[in-house]
Amino acid sequence: DIQMTQSPSSLSASVGDRVTITCRASQTISTYLNWYQQKPGKAPKLLIYAASSLQSGVPPRFSGSGSGTDFTLTISSLQPEDFATYYCQQSYRTLLTFGGGTKVEIK
Amino acid sequence: EVQLVESGGGLVKPGESLRLSCAASGFTFGNYRMNWVRQAPAKGLEWVSSISGTSTYIYYADSVKGRFTISRDNAKKSLYLHMNSLRAEDTAVYYCARHQDEGRIDYWGQGTLVTVSS
Repeated sequence: DIQMTQSPSSLSASVGDRVTITCRASQTISTYLNWYQQKPGKAPKLLIYAASSLQSGVPPRFSGSGSGTDFTLTISSLQPEDFATYYCQQSYRTLLTFGGGTKVEIK
Repeated sequence: EVQLVESGGGLVKPGESLRLSCAASGFTFGNYRMNWVRQAPAKGLEWVSSISGTSTYIYYADSVKGRFTISRDNAKKSLYLHMNSLRAEDTAVYYCARHQDEGRIDYWGQGTLVTVSS
């Protein structure tokens, strides 16, 4: 199985901050990398697919980059509604795997 | 509007069985691969199983292989997860989720809670 490692596991930030979350795959996955946002008690929501494509309806302050084994999710200016947990997921292999999550908290 | 509605969760004892269902609407169900993804309390997301649109291809995580069976009924627009020999570590919210191109999951249900405890 492909292991996905996210860092940091949690971070504190203020409204307006630029936030970067990284995800590393245990083997190359090209750009088969997706990002999700999850708020407490809710289902995950797709933000970014194929490493850098913005899902319809997602604000452009969210962006993704990377290929191979190293990927980044960036929130250009953190908004109050962005405090949540973020997960990466690889779809290079049929057996999908998720990263452990990054919780973004209010500073 | 795409909707996925899970049902069938509940409290069971270790070793018992349970069947989860997911009712889909708002899209041509048989055209899509579907997944079950679970989340243990205060833990991250874990992919459980997936099934192709025609049920030709079925896949399982190692943690459930041999105990869980995924199936679908395209005429009823429904996805199922039959869970046998349940363990405490299977306790989780189980989400039904639609699989899109390149493997992204674009729609999720609200989840159904399965608790395995004596």
